[in-house]
Amino acid sequence: RKEVEQDPGPFNVPEGATVAFNCTYSNSASQSFFWYRQDCRKEPKLLMSVYSSGNEDGRFTAQLNRASQYISLLIRDSKLSDSATYLCVVIVNTNAGKSTFGDGTTLTVKP
Amino acid sequence: DAGVIQSPRHEVTEMGQEVTLRCKPISGHNSLFWYRQTMMRGLELLIYFNNNVPIDDSGMPEDRFSAKMPNASFSTLKIQPSEPRDSAVYFCALYNPGWMTNYGYTFGSGTRLTVV
Repeated sequence: RKEVEQDPGPFNVPEGATVAFNCTYSNSASQSFFWYRQDCRKEPKLLMSVYSSGNEDGRFTAQLNRASQYISLLIRDSKLSDSATYLCVVIVNTNAGKSTFGDGTTLTVKP
Repeated sequence: DAGVIQSPRHEVTEMGQEVTLRCKPISGHNSLFWYRQTMMRGLELLIYFNNNVPIDDSGMPEDRFSAKMPNASFSTLKIQPSEPRDSAVYFCALYNPGWMTNYGYTFGSGTRLTVV
């Protein structure tokens, strides 16, 4: 089993749709969690950190469920510009920073 | 991103040649990471440094790969000799823990390496 597993893509949705991605992790001692976005042929960029209480940034909502060891990302009112690959990142030791990246979920938003 | 500058952006080399990839952190950071990304294997951690000291190089594929960080503003990843299977995008990334600004990873634009 992989340390971090993401929903297998691709997700193809129409503009305006709501889409959710899940990511499970195997190490219960994991401390920090992030969602990164990667556009084609570009570097990954931080989308949002994920906190135990859940956090929201505009159309994006991230949740952490420590008991079930998964994090989620919800995108509401999808835009064409949301088309990208979304990477889940899990860090065991938040001071050291050594992380495990998921393989990514590809989202395509269509007109 | 202004936080990390990588060079070159693209490198095409012949099998057997030495390749040196460079990373120049601009912003403050706690740790520096080298990753490799391919379609088949996704993002793989090669090595990371903390305060310029190599902490974990277990991801370095073999002895052909070496990395150095002589100071906080510069790091290199060297492949000697290069092989076609080394073709990938190599990213340098800075990491800051939550008690520092710019929490999380900041990636450079990457070096796209093609070994023919």
